[in-house]
Amino acid sequence: EPEVTQTPSHQVTQMGQEVILRCVPISNHLYFYWYRQILGQKVEFLVSFYNNEISEKSEIFDDQFSVERPDGSNFTLKIRSTKLEDSAMYFCASNPSRAAYEQYFGPGTRLTVT
Amino acid sequence: SQQGEEDPQALSIQEGENATMNCSYKTSINNLQWYRQNSGRGLVHLILIRSNEREKHSGRLRVTLDTSKKSSSLLITASRAADTASYFCATDGSNFGNEKLTFGTGTRLTIIP
Repeated sequence: EPEVTQTPSHQVTQMGQEVILRCVPISNHLYFYWYRQILGQKVEFLVSFYNNEISEKSEIFDDQFSVERPDGSNFTLKIRSTKLEDSAMYFCASNPSRAAYEQYFGPGTRLTVT
Repeated sequence: SQQGEEDPQALSIQEGENATMNCSYKTSINNLQWYRQNSGRGLVHLILIRSNEREKHSGRLRVTLDTSKKSSSLLITASRAADTASYFCATDGSNFGNEKLTFGTGTRLTIIP
């Protein structure tokens, strides 16, 4: 069964460094999302992406964040200058169409900022 | 904004018993979904109920929705050790399927063998 994959599974970085989290959504899906979950807290929406553009972004998704779909299969989340509070589990998700409501989530990347 | 709050926050039951988790939200919704998250893993979709539905079944899962009370419940019958996980409700407010999900705080379910 097709699944969303994410790499790396765990990323440790120093404060101020740039990180890129990678996702490969399910191949025929059209809508892509990033969510994050700080340890012990809710899963929070960051950004949605369709047709090579951001559809919606949350207040969390400030200028330090960017997303890209560079090659038609990968979907990346970049954090330009990481802060301690960016430590969280980051989930990528995809959705096949506007008529489908279920989102398919990847296993997540645990980001630890020291 | 929509906000889901689950209760209880944590639930421990004996294997074979039924587990009931509740979710409340604040604004009108189009759909409500339940997801499961095993420890340290991604979210797995369990079941979706539309705003015009009151009850839905899938295997050992039963979901109810009361839009007048802005609440939903997830019942897992005949629980198994493998059901140990966190369960989240998620809402969307759009008529289209591409909108963001707003997740609740989750219920941590532990099944005692």
